[in-house]
Amino acid sequence: SQQGEEDPQALSIQEGENATMNCSYKTSINNLQWYRQNSGRGLVHLILIRSNEREKHSGRLRVTLDTSKKSSSLLITASRAADTASYFCAPAITGGGNKLTFGTGTQLKVEL
Amino acid sequence: NAGVTQTPKFQVLKTGQSMTLQCAQDMNHEYMSWYRQDPGMGLRLIHYSVGAGITDQGEVPNGYNVSRSTTEDFPLRLLSAAPSQTSVYFCASSGQARAGELFFGEGSRLTVL
Repeated sequence: SQQGEEDPQALSIQEGENATMNCSYKTSINNLQWYRQNSGRGLVHLILIRSNEREKHSGRLRVTLDTSKKSSSLLITASRAADTASYFCAPAITGGGNKLTFGTGTQLKVEL
Repeated sequence: NAGVTQTPKFQVLKTGQSMTLQCAQDMNHEYMSWYRQDPGMGLRLIHYSVGAGITDQGEVPNGYNVSRSTTEDFPLRLLSAAPSQTSVYFCASSGQARAGELFFGEGSRLTVL
């Protein structure tokens, strides 16, 4: 399968805590992207990490990539109720162009 | 910019009826694609296009047709709807400048009775 697989499937935390979700994939990639989907909405691009990068930050988001283990993690620091959403990783396989496949995502719930 | 616009947002069909889900983008993106999202299944790629006049099949193309006559539009046609096509459909586009970052529409929720 070309898609990423997110883990855990569901995560519930308190506001202010950090949330970590993981992604594993099976093929050689050009980059790996993370997306967020709020309930009933389309996916929104969060961050892209290239295959030659190991870590990337964007605001409260921190993404790591380990190509030797074919895995990535997304850390959301100081979570807020507004972070409640589903999060998807999408590995962009080598030679696949813009064709992305998605797993079932991690459903994050941030409680007040 | 409106981004990616999908119409209709909701549609109910009877088995055997046909319809077209519309998708338009105003970002001059070369790449466009259609996904369906079902509970517990994630998003699955139906068809995609790398430019006007060029389309190709994704993971689950059966029962769906597409065409790409212009850069802006990428309609998805259901010729004979089946209950198994009940789903939420998302259109997405991407341009060369953003290294494959997909921009998604808000989705079209289709129910086939």
